[in-house]
Amino acid sequence: NAGVTQTPKFQVLKTGQSMTLQCAQDMNHNSMYWYRQDPGMGLRLIYYSASEGTTDKGEVPNGYNVSRLNKREFSLRLESAAPSQTSVYFCATRGRGTVSLSVQETQYFGPGTRLLVL
Amino acid sequence: AQTVTQSQPEMSVQEAETVTLSCTYDTSESNYYLFWYKQPPSRQMILVIRQEAYKQQNATENRFSVNFQKAAKSFSLKISDSQLGDTAMYFCAFMKQDSKLTFGKGITLSVRP
Repeated sequence: NAGVTQTPKFQVLKTGQSMTLQCAQDMNHNSMYWYRQDPGMGLRLIYYSASEGTTDKGEVPNGYNVSRLNKREFSLRLESAAPSQTSVYFCATRGRGTVSLSVQETQYFGPGTRLLVL
Repeated sequence: AQTVTQSQPEMSVQEAETVTLSCTYDTSESNYYLFWYKQPPSRQMILVIRQEAYKQQNATENRFSVNFQKAAKSFSLKISDSQLGDTAMYFCAFMKQDSKLTFGKGITLSVRP
């Protein structure tokens, strides 16, 4: 069980370039999320998907698009990267896990993608 | 909208001692969940403890326990017998029934040997 995986782990972009951050889960959870983490700001929700085929904006959606390709995969796209999008990006799912704390619904996070936009 | 406030940006504790991290939140919801997540230098977000608002009993997980005061909208985390591996950022988070998490800004905890 890999849980929540993200690719790439680290990426450097030039201003104006585009890229897609990939997220996949094998937990059979319906809900998936994209957050960004900036120093002193905590984690802020970019977009989320309550189920396959649906997506909704979070707190900071500008400059991003998402695709819920199927139940397992939820991608985040930057069409024209800006230095303000330099951040660490986390994908998460919501649902029930398999051990200890996770037997009840909670959110599970991927390892993060560190993005630097020059 | 919900807000989560962690007013202390950083704390330090001696190994083996006890430390309490504070968190307050604001909501008009009656049913919700509260979490503490740990983020070590690896950046992985690790769930530490979870509390359902409808439960009066405070959650505990080994050396970690919470003091949940629903009326005061307070949710503090107590770490007993602090260990060097507890050094990390800790985030308090609130989740409504519709599942969106709202995070506080985090607190950096350093455990001194």
